[in-house]
Amino acid sequence: DAGVIQSPRHEVTEMGQEVTLRCKPISGHNSLFWYRQTMMRGLELLIYFNNNVPIDDSGMPEDRFSAKMPNASFSTLKIQPSEPRDSAVYFCASSLKGDGTGRTDTQYFGPGTRLTVL
Amino acid sequence: AQKVTQAQTEISVVEKEDVTLDCVYETRDTTYYLFWYKQPPSGELVFLIRRNSFDEQNEISGRYSWNFQKSTSSFNFTITASQVVDSAVYFCALRGYGQNFVFGPGTRLSVLP
Repeated sequence: DAGVIQSPRHEVTEMGQEVTLRCKPISGHNSLFWYRQTMMRGLELLIYFNNNVPIDDSGMPEDRFSAKMPNASFSTLKIQPSEPRDSAVYFCASSLKGDGTGRTDTQYFGPGTRLTVL
Repeated sequence: AQKVTQAQTEISVVEKEDVTLDCVYETRDTTYYLFWYKQPPSGELVFLIRRNSFDEQNEISGRYSWNFQKSTSSFNFTITASQVVDSAVYFCALRGYGQNFVFGPGTRLSVLP
């Protein structure tokens, strides 16, 4: 089975430009998470969705960040306008939200998108 | 509030040595889940193990073993006979009520040949 798919793997853009990161979760998973990883702050949860509905976006740093999940197999994270401090690796993860038994609730991560804003 | 502490920032060992990575957590939830993830130099995050708060039985998987002790709020990870391929950053994570994962800062393990 395919894992979580993210695109692009690398993105270099100039300050002020719009950036869109894409994620396809594991088929059958009903929860999706966006994380940001930097040397200074480690792994930070930005937002997560259950059944395509945003549940907690308290980690989204500013209004410049927005995320959507129009259907169960696709999500986007958009930064507009981008700034150099947004440079990081952005991970998408998915899980099967269940009753907490077995293999449910474990998050499986995509390969990440390395974003560089010049 | 939930918190995960990995006090060891970096560890270096020589191949075939045993190494233990420490993880201490804080939570007020009575039901919670603990995880370990590996991030090799290639950058992806690989799931290693999941343990719920009601199961304190230690687990062994090949050269990997995990020691969960609720009394000390610790979930330590031991690699026996380490290999160069074990070089990576290892993250301990906690999920309590809700689905918000809290990750520790990670421990960078370098296994030298």
